[in-house]
Amino acid sequence: KQEVTQIPAALSVPEGENLVLNCSFTDSAIYNLQWFRQDPGKGLTSLLLIQSSQREQTSGRLNASLDKSSGRSTLYIAASQPGDSATYLCAVSGGSNYKLTFGKGTLLTVNP
Amino acid sequence: EAQVTQNPRYLITVTGKKLTVTCSQNMNHEYMSWYRQDPGLGLRQIYYSMNVEVTDKGDVPEGYKVSRKEKRNFPLILESPSPNQTSLYFCASSSWEHQETQYFGPGTRLLVL
Repeated sequence: KQEVTQIPAALSVPEGENLVLNCSFTDSAIYNLQWFRQDPGKGLTSLLLIQSSQREQTSGRLNASLDKSSGRSTLYIAASQPGDSATYLCAVSGGSNYKLTFGKGTLLTVNP
Repeated sequence: EAQVTQNPRYLITVTGKKLTVTCSQNMNHEYMSWYRQDPGLGLRQIYYSMNVEVTDKGDVPEGYKVSRKEKRNFPLILESPSPNQTSLYFCASSSWEHQETQYFGPGTRLLVL
């Protein structure tokens, strides 16, 4: 059974810092890995999707990497801003039912 | 605008009173799914549907029912809600061609007293 772990559970940084969020998964037989953002009381917004054959994806100040063989992914956020404060969720897709298996998330707070 | 809608967004009910949370998508997606999100447990899949009249259990189906009579709708039914079903519920959909891109609804926050 696939399990996804995210470290740290919470992170507080001053504005302007570069930071890394970590995600690990136990079964490397995945189709893809996604990073989502969730604001309090809101739905999920997909940030980046990495196919299993890819190593990384970039969008603006965000860069996500995938090392499928070791079961790890990182989300790098450059020059963090208070508006980046949210919970970041990592999810992997695998199997025949399109199911996403989620980590429990990292609560990020960027202080002005 | 492509979207997944859920109703209601917030609901307070009492134990045993049947309720339905609706989910509708306007993207002609074949695949639809329900998740629940709980503190410390993350998001877990309840049920999913690969197409009309095709549904199957996810990881935590106990206490829930679903139906898929039309392609655009995938209601979640709680026949006899219990307090342990208090949670934040999300509906998601995707197409077979782009199954990796799942669109999520805004969530339904349910409190069962």
